[in-house]
Amino acid sequence: ELKVEQNPLFLSMQEGKNYTIYCNYSTTSDRLYWYRQDPGKSLESLFVLLSNGAVKQEGRLMASLDTKARLSTLHITAAVHDLSATYFCAVDGDTGNQFYFGTGTSLTVIP
Amino acid sequence: DSGVTQTPKHLITATGQRVTLRCSPRSGDLSVYWYQQSLDQGLQFLIQYYNGEERAKGNILERFSAQQFPDLHSELNLSSLELGDSALYFCASSVDPGTPSGWGWSYNEQFFGPGTRLTVL
Repeated sequence: ELKVEQNPLFLSMQEGKNYTIYCNYSTTSDRLYWYRQDPGKSLESLFVLLSNGAVKQEGRLMASLDTKARLSTLHITAAVHDLSATYFCAVDGDTGNQFYFGTGTSLTVIP
Repeated sequence: DSGVTQTPKHLITATGQRVTLRCSPRSGDLSVYWYQQSLDQGLQFLIQYYNGEERAKGNILERFSAQQFPDLHSELNLSSLELGDSALYFCASSVDPGTPSGWGWSYNEQFFGPGTRLTVL
């Protein structure tokens, strides 16, 4: 059974601190996606990681992909309150025509 | 704004009823995806259409059906509604994998609409 697991599920961190969200998956996909969702809102695409070793950075967020370990990380540097949201990773299914989301990580940044 | 539109934003109905949710993809996108988001099930992929044809099926109930029309908009029909069908329904669109884009090949990055919140009473 295909699994996309994120941890932690809930993360409360102080402003200015660093932390990493982990995404483990079981498909053979070499692509991984990160999305952000604000409460009651839609999903916003953050990163598309297209190959093993891919690293992308935008502001205080950096995502990386290790396809051999089937692991992606989303690293948060010097968190600010605006980063409070739920973060989802997602992968293609093995046929490439389905899409599987992780459980989500609810991040709260405390002033 | 992703460029994907969904109507209506909110829908309140009773058990046993039937509703239709509508989605218009971004200009140029041929693939449409439907998702259900609920507190207990998380984000579940329901179904995908590409250029009018069903491409992939996920955890879609038999009471639910969808189609994509020649103008590429899509509708999700939910019938014999139950309390447990209350959820946020998202539509997303993408340029299908392998389609040339301005910067090379576009992969399966999906752009999500604002969602329809369905409440079944």
